[in-house]
Amino acid sequence: DQQVKQNSPSLSVQEGRISILNCDYTNSMFDYFLWYKKYPAEGPTFLISISSIKDKNEDGRFTVFLNKSAKHLSLHIVPSQPGDSAVYFCPARGGSNYKLTFGKGTLLTVNP
Amino acid sequence: NAGVTQTPKFRVLKTGQSMTLLCAQDMNHEYMYWYRQDPGMGLRLIHYSVGEGTTAKGEVPDGYNVSRLKKQNFLLGLESAAPSQTSVYFCASSLAGLNEQFFGPGTRLTVL
Repeated sequence: DQQVKQNSPSLSVQEGRISILNCDYTNSMFDYFLWYKKYPAEGPTFLISISSIKDKNEDGRFTVFLNKSAKHLSLHIVPSQPGDSAVYFCPARGGSNYKLTFGKGTLLTVNP
Repeated sequence: NAGVTQTPKFRVLKTGQSMTLLCAQDMNHEYMYWYRQDPGMGLRLIHYSVGEGTTAKGEVPDGYNVSRLKKQNFLLGLESAAPSQTSVYFCASSLAGLNEQFFGPGTRLTVL
């Protein structure tokens, strides 16, 4: 039973446009959400996170939105750059449980 | 500051052979984790450690053992490798349980 779902295996966007990556979760105990980016043959790298007490968090070109009632979060990248092409994961955790639950990831391709 | 390093990067084993994967971090982090990633899947937690001398089971611990004799090192052992253990293995560390995790570059293991 997937507790974190990334229903779009891939997304293709033109350079300079907005990329929107989506994530749904089923476990209502999750209260902290992260986004990681992963290039081929490398480990995931942390991008941005959001706590359930907030509905938005920004860091430069990256903004994460959380809709708790819909159990949905999204990552917006504006403007998208070719170097953003990677697999994106949105792991979640709940309460004092520091174990992360990962989805399958979404492959973002930004075309020049 | 090398961050999280993993040794080896690649390995091919025959069924029944044993091996140890080494993870080292130079960030003085308390928590360390071992994940595996299979094709089309997210990362799944194998074992983790909340400090030197401690280990605990994650989501998929069967067939693996771990040890954390030194704070900076976390070893993952396969006593009798099976083809189902063919995967990419990632080590991660975090300052404390609720901080973001930093990942190593991964070890690609093939069991024939």
